[in-house]
Amino acid sequence: EPEVTQTPSHQVTQMGQEVILRCVPISNHLYFYWYRQILGQKVEFLVSFYNNEISEKSEIFDDQFSVERPDGSNFTLKIRSTKLEDSAMYFCASNTGTGNTEAFFGQGTRLTVV
Amino acid sequence: QKEVEQDPGPLSVPEGAIVSLNCTYSNSAFQYFMWYRQYSRKGPELLMYTYSSGNKEDGRFTAQVDKSSKYISLFIRDSQPSDSATYLCAMSSAGSARQLTFGSGTQLTVLP
Repeated sequence: EPEVTQTPSHQVTQMGQEVILRCVPISNHLYFYWYRQILGQKVEFLVSFYNNEISEKSEIFDDQFSVERPDGSNFTLKIRSTKLEDSAMYFCASNTGTGNTEAFFGQGTRLTVV
Repeated sequence: QKEVEQDPGPLSVPEGAIVSLNCTYSNSAFQYFMWYRQYSRKGPELLMYTYSSGNKEDGRFTAQVDKSSKYISLFIRDSQPSDSATYLCAMSSAGSARQLTFGSGTQLTVLP
């Protein structure tokens, strides 16, 4: 069964450093997303991406964040100058975008900022 | 008022019980409703997807949506210990169909 894959599963970084979280969405999907879940809190929408551009973003997704689809398979989230409060699980998701919104999630990357 | 409210539990039931999980919401624009299951430190796994009001059944799972009451439910029949997980409701509006708003999740334990 096709699935969304994310790497790494766990990333530890020092405050102020840049991190790149990587995702390979399901191959025939057209919409890609990043969500985050701070420990003990709700899953929160960050950004959606379609046709090589951002289609929606939340208030959380400020200038510190950027997304990119560098090739035909990968979808990345870059966090510049990480802060302690960026520590969370980051989930990538994708869907076909054709008339439904069933989003399929990856297993997540646990980001720890120290 | 929170946009999506979900009883966090924890909810503990014996094996074989019928489980009822619920969410209420305030945004009348929500039209797409989903239930996800999340095991500890894993990604949300899609269980059920419904559009607008009505019922949908898939095996032991039934999802109900009552838009007039802004209330959605997930029923699990013949619950199994493997159903122990956190259940998340999620929803989105037609105008922003790509952006899911999640509930806080209900932690369920099914005791053997």
